[in-house]
Amino acid sequence: AQTVTQSQPEMSVQEAETVTLSCTYDTSESDYYLFWYKQPPSRQMILVIRQEAYKQQNATENRFSVNFQKAAKSFSLKISDSQLGDAAMYFCAYRSPQGGSEKLVFGKGMKLTVNP
Amino acid sequence: DTEVTQTPKHLVMGMTNKKSLKCEQHMGHRAMYWYKQKAKKPPELMFVYSYEKLSINESVPSRFSPECPNSSLLNLHLHALQPEDSALYLCASSHISLGPGGGYTFGSGTRLTVV
Repeated sequence: AQTVTQSQPEMSVQEAETVTLSCTYDTSESDYYLFWYKQPPSRQMILVIRQEAYKQQNATENRFSVNFQKAAKSFSLKISDSQLGDAAMYFCAYRSPQGGSEKLVFGKGMKLTVNP
Repeated sequence: DTEVTQTPKHLVMGMTNKKSLKCEQHMGHRAMYWYKQKAKKPPELMFVYSYEKLSINESVPSRFSPECPNSSLLNLHLHALQPEDSALYLCASSHISLGPGGGYTFGSGTRLTVV
């Protein structure tokens, strides 16, 4: 079974600075999808960025980018120019491409605080 | 329409009550999910519906009863709940195949309190 590990339960960053959130995973599959979700106090889980394992290029969405190291099974999220609105719980997640495996496997999450 | 809509947003119920949570999406997603989330924890999968049929039940107690009347609607019927069932209940939907990218779209959840 796949597992996702977020080893840092909390982090803080100064506004306008850069922060990196770490995530590692374990799988025997060669193709899969990885996600970072953000959950602010408003509760809604918001998709931040996704990475397809067969793509070597790291995904980027505006201020958010990932460092995907397939061999090391590492998937870190970099937030540049941090904003107060980035404060939230961040969850790393894995999804198998296999039919009948629609399940998302989540890490335990990490609370990000942004200091003004 | 790119949203998953959940109602109600908040619910307080007694242990003898019967209530239902509702979830609706119009994105053409044929997989729909119920998750339970405790504070500062990741969501825990409860049920998965694929093409309106229950495909995964993560050993959820029978006091939770899911229903998928059509491809846009997902319900969770609640009966004789316990205080430890108090949590945020999240609904999500996705495409069955991963062609479009595989991500879920989540609703904003129902905050359930059992008294």
